[in-house]
Amino acid sequence: KAGVTQTPRYLIKTRGQQVTLSCSPISGHRSVSWYQQTPGQGLQFLFEYFSETQRNKGNFPGRFSGRQFSNSRSEMNVSTLELGDSALYLCASTPGSGGVNEQFFGPGTRLTVL
Amino acid sequence: AQKVTQAQTEISVVEKEDVTLDCVYETRDTTYYLFWYKQPPSGELVFLIRRNSFDEQNEISGRYSWNFQKSTSSFNFTITASQVVDSAVYFCALSEHGSSNTGKLIFGQGTTLQVKP
Repeated sequence: KAGVTQTPRYLIKTRGQQVTLSCSPISGHRSVSWYQQTPGQGLQFLFEYFSETQRNKGNFPGRFSGRQFSNSRSEMNVSTLELGDSALYLCASTPGSGGVNEQFFGPGTRLTVL
Repeated sequence: AQKVTQAQTEISVVEKEDVTLDCVYETRDTTYYLFWYKQPPSGELVFLIRRNSFDEQNEISGRYSWNFQKSTSSFNFTITASQVVDSAVYFCALSEHGSSNTGKLIFGQGTTLQVKP
């Protein structure tokens, strides 16, 4: 079974631009979560989607948004990029109804904002 | 508020030594889940274990073992006879069950383990 895939793996953007990251969960998984990892703040929860609905959202500004499609693939978007958005963005998929089941992580997208 | 503390930022051991990674958590919920993940240099988080708040049995899986103690709100992870391949960042995480049943994980800051040959 293929794991969680994330595209692109690396991205370089400049301040003010916007970016879209993509995540394909493990086949059959309907829950997708996103996390931001930075050296200063560590791993922080962004949001979770289940059956195309956002089920929970972390404490991030409205510039961060996401969505999930009917095939469970998910995208996250960051608008008006700031230098502080440089991070590794990790996507995770969860079997069953999601929730507290173990999350399987993808390799991440490393975003650099110049 | 939920919080996970991994007080050890970095640990360095020599191969074959035993090493314990500490994890202390805070939660007001009575039903919660604790996790350990490993992040090798490749960056991908690898799931190691999940434990719910009602199961205080210790767990052993090969060279890995976990000690869960609700009385001290700790969920410590021990690697026996460490190997160079164990070198990675290890994260402890907490998920509250609550009524929303969402998958929000609260992570500790991580412990970087370096195993030297």
